[in-house]
Amino acid sequence: EVQLVETGGGLIQPGGSLRLSCAVSGFSINYNYMSWVRQAPGKGLQWLSVIYSGGSTYYEDSVRGRFTISRDDSKNTVFLQMNSLRAEDTAVYYCASHYCTSGSCYFDNWGQGTLVSVSS
Amino acid sequence: SYVLTQPPSVSVAPGRTATITCGGNNIGNKGVHWYQQKPGQAPVLVINSDSDRPSGIPERFSGANSGNTATLTISRVEGGDEADYYCQVWDFGSDVVFGGGTKLTVL
Repeated sequence: EVQLVETGGGLIQPGGSLRLSCAVSGFSINYNYMSWVRQAPGKGLQWLSVIYSGGSTYYEDSVRGRFTISRDDSKNTVFLQMNSLRAEDTAVYYCASHYCTSGSCYFDNWGQGTLVSVSS
Repeated sequence: SYVLTQPPSVSVAPGRTATITCGGNNIGNKGVHWYQQKPGQAPVLVINSDSDRPSGIPERFSGANSGNTATLTISRVEGGDEADYYCQVWDFGSDVVFGGGTKLTVL
């Protein structure tokens, strides 16, 4: 059974840092694309970052330079290091795996999400 | 960057057909995927690659994509279909793009 379990969320002051983890079971992350997606309260889904199977990483404009995605293949875990956090980063953060076919990719597995609240 | 446009809300009576659109420039040339999200839950894939239904998704859910509009159609709508629906494409300039989401209300 495939499971993605995010941890590391919580209340953090503006300007602070937080590292989210996504522990994966049921498949090997090093053969998959893995992304982080967030959802601010009452808002839609926002893709943040992807790490490809080859290790390349890409970011959405609003988090590029502040957030870093990485993975530990030995632990089958994906991370999101978030620095210089702002109030507008308050959201539920989801980890998700990609399935790619015919030149397009979609999310076939999602975690349950972890809440990050940025407030003083 | 690529933009996907969805209507904020759609309302439908039980047993009728709901149609949710997703507009984008030449979206017919891209693979479009649809997710259902109920309150407090993670999104669930209901249609991938324009019109494919993942295992476990009822046949009442179907998709189409042509020109500048992709469409998610839910036939014989049930109360349990009430949720937010998001379209998504993979754009090699912007990577992942989501539409703004459509709230489906079952009257």
